[in-house]
Amino acid sequence: DTGVSQDPRHKITKRGQNVTFRCDPISEHNRLYWYRQTLGQGPEFLTYFQNEAQLEKSRLLSDRFSAERPKGSFSTLEIQRTEQGDSAMYLCASSDRAHEQYFGPGTRLTVT
Amino acid sequence: EDQVTQSPEALRLQEGESSSLNCSYTVSGLRGLFWYRQDPGKGPEFLFTLYSAGEEKEKERLKATLTKKESFLHITAPKPEDSATYLCAVQGGGDDKIIFGKGTRLHILP
Repeated sequence: DTGVSQDPRHKITKRGQNVTFRCDPISEHNRLYWYRQTLGQGPEFLTYFQNEAQLEKSRLLSDRFSAERPKGSFSTLEIQRTEQGDSAMYLCASSDRAHEQYFGPGTRLTVT
Repeated sequence: EDQVTQSPEALRLQEGESSSLNCSYTVSGLRGLFWYRQDPGKGPEFLFTLYSAGEEKEKERLKATLTKKESFLHITAPKPEDSATYLCAVQGGGDDKIIFGKGTRLHILP
């Protein structure tokens, strides 16, 4: 069973550095979503792709954040000039319809 | 604006003590209400989708129900392995993103 995978699982970086996370969705899924989750909160929507097209971005997503999904397969989320407030779990999910979303294990980012 | 409120924030039960978790929502044109289970340090695990008022879904000791304003997750005779955070989420008519509540942390004591 090849579910959603994310890499790396953990990332520690210094403030001001750039980081990039990768998400590999379930192979037959054409929709891919990024969420951010902090302690004690539910996941917050960041952005969403259908195939290679980025269809929606949250107002939470500052211009330091960028996401891509070349060729409609895997996706990357880059954070430039990281800040301590960026420390969170970054979750990726995929779906084949606009309903049930299946989540990966997440990437935990710590900015020191 | 779409909104999801879950209660209680935390719940401690003895093994075998049945209870219910509440999810109240406001959304424009509900397309789906979702329940997920999340273990510490892991991504949410999909449990159920409910589409319309009156619908019910069951899986092992869990049963989800839906009305026009809220959903309940009923846990019957829970076991310690049911301990987790249970998240409720809704998808409205405007777009494909889903909005999550903060979750209910459930702890089942042996």
